[in-house]
Amino acid sequence: NAGVTQTPKFQVLKTGQSMTLQCAQDMNHEYMSWYRQDPGMGLRLIHYSVGAGITDQGEVPNGYNVSRSTTEDFPLRLLSAAPSQTSVYFCASRTGANSPLHFGNGTRLTVT
Amino acid sequence: EDQVTQSPEALRLQEGESSSLNCSYTVSGLRGLFWYRQDPGKGPEFLFTLYSAGEEKEKERLKATLTKKESFLHITAPKPEDSATYLCAVQAMWRSGAGSYQLTFGKGTKLSVIP
Repeated sequence: NAGVTQTPKFQVLKTGQSMTLQCAQDMNHEYMSWYRQDPGMGLRLIHYSVGAGITDQGEVPNGYNVSRSTTEDFPLRLLSAAPSQTSVYFCASRTGANSPLHFGNGTRLTVT
Repeated sequence: EDQVTQSPEALRLQEGESSSLNCSYTVSGLRGLFWYRQDPGKGPEFLFTLYSAGEEKEKERLKATLTKKESFLHITAPKPEDSATYLCAVQAMWRSGAGSYQLTFGKGTKLSVIP
């Protein structure tokens, strides 16, 4: 059972480039979310989804897009990368509102 | 606005030296409080969920407790392998619909256990 799988593990981008961070879960969880983790800031919610075709914004959504076409996948798109988006990104899923979040191992993104 | 404050930011313990980590929270109706452990280069790993004041949960050397304003993670006779960052998160009752799934995280306490 793989749980939550994130790819790539590391990525370096130049300012203005676009890319997609991939997230897949094999637990049939309805809820999926993206967080970014920065030193001294804790985990901050970017976007989340409660099912295929349903997405909503979290605390820090600017500069990011998401879509949810299947239960399993929840990609995060950076439209035009900026140095302020240098961070570690975590995807997480849960089966219901009272269940714990399961996290992937993160993608470390550097924007130069 | 939901707020979570963890203290101390960092804690160094000798092996076997018991201590507690604090998580103070402000939320309009607590739906649940979650504790996670995070190792360097890894995602957070779930430890406990607490739902109501007075509740306690235990796992090996860890015990989590909850009051109406804060939660403690007690570490008894810690070992070097307990070294990690411990995160606390709250889920609020006031959020409805899809928002009810949202968690607010604290900044974490970095625990180092020295042999």
